[in-house]
Formats: sequence, structure tokens, C-alpha cells
Amino acid sequence: NAGVTQTPKFRILKIGQSMTLQCTQDMNHNYMYWYRQDPGMGLKLIYYSVGAGITDKGEVPNGYNVSRSTTEDFPLRLELAAPSQTSVYFCAGALAGGRDTQYFGPGTRLTVL
Amino acid sequence: GQQLNQSPQSMFIQEGEDVSMNCTSSSIFNTWLWYKQDPGEGPVLLIALYKAGELTSNGRLTAQFGITRKDSFLNISASIPSDVGIYFCAGQVTGTASKLTFGTGTRLQVTL
Repeated sequence: NAGVTQTPKFRILKIGQSMTLQCTQDMNHNYMYWYRQDPGMGLKLIYYSVGAGITDKGEVPNGYNVSRSTTEDFPLRLELAAPSQTSVYFCAGALAGGRDTQYFGPGTRLTVL
Repeated sequence: GQQLNQSPQSMFIQEGEDVSMNCTSSSIFNTWLWYKQDPGEGPVLLIALYKAGELTSNGRLTAQFGITRKDSFLNISASIPSDVGIYFCAGQVTGTASKLTFGTGTRLQVTL
């Protein structure tokens, strides 16, 4: 199993550009999450999904959108990039029921200039 | 939004020393987790705690779930250079889609 994979690894955007951060998992995770990590800080939840077709806002959703058309994929969309969205973005997955441990991808480092 | 208070923020220790760090919250959690993050990588789970008062070990790591359910502690014994990284605590409330609330992190540096 590849686990949780994210692409791209790095990206530089200009203000106002849009992009999609990809996240795929092959661990049959029901739950998936997007976090952002600002320098020297912990991770903050942007959006999450409890299954295909179901998404909900986390703590810091403004400026982002998500979709979950399949169990495996959970892309994060930035429509109008702003410097405040410069951060490292992590996707994670977890199995529902049981002890629900979250497994993280390697991250996407995004810079908005 | 809430973030857990984690201390210390950073530590510089010598190889072979023991390390202690802790995490406190203003609200109760049903599960406490400790993650380690290496540079350029995502967090990796070290230890999970599911019951108040629980003490769990994973090799040289030992963690405890506080009795009040508002705190947790992580100890690393006999530190080695590969222990370098950022350690995060995270709390989880049952029935909330396994969402995690993260601490601010403890950066550990180990000198030879």
C-alpha cells in the first residue's frame, strides 16, 4: 500500500491564481482530512469528509473548497490564492469505527507571492 | 479555534539524556495522541492513549493520559540523534468524525 499520497510536493502561486492539491489514499479510509501548518504552529483543520459525497468545514475553511466523489480521493481547491494561504498542507485519512488513528501524507508546501 | 498548550516549545539536550514534555487543554478529550514530525514530512503516530490514567510505552517512549482527561505527558528515555524533530500532542473527542485538535509542538534538538 502507498498509504496517503499528495501532489504536488511544492508549488509557487501568484496572488489570484487557482490550484488543486491532490490527495489519494489506498487504505480504505472512510474519513479524510485537510490540515494546514503555518511556521512554528500545530496543524489546523480546513475541511474533512466522513465518506464519498459528504464534506464539512473544519476550523479554517475560508478560501478553500473540497469534494469527495470517490472514497480514495479528496482534493483541496484554492480558487483565489492569497499570501495568507502560504503554508504546508497535509492530507490525512482514518478508518471509521475502531480507534480511528489518522495517517498523514507527506505534505504540499505552497507559497503565494 | 482551540489549540492545545504544549511545553516546552523547544529543547536542546545531549545524547543519552531523558526528555519530558506535556500538553494541557481547557476541555476534556477521550483520546490523546502523540505524533512526531521529521523535516519535510507529515506527522507519524508514536503513541495513542484511550483511557484516563493510562500509561503506555513504545520502546524508549512512554506517554500518560492525565486523570482529569485535560492533559497528557510524553517521556523519551536515553535520547539518540534520530529523536530530533517536532513532537505534537493531539486530542480527540469521541463521535466527532475522529477530528484532531493539535498542540503547538515541541522542537527537540539532540547534541552529541
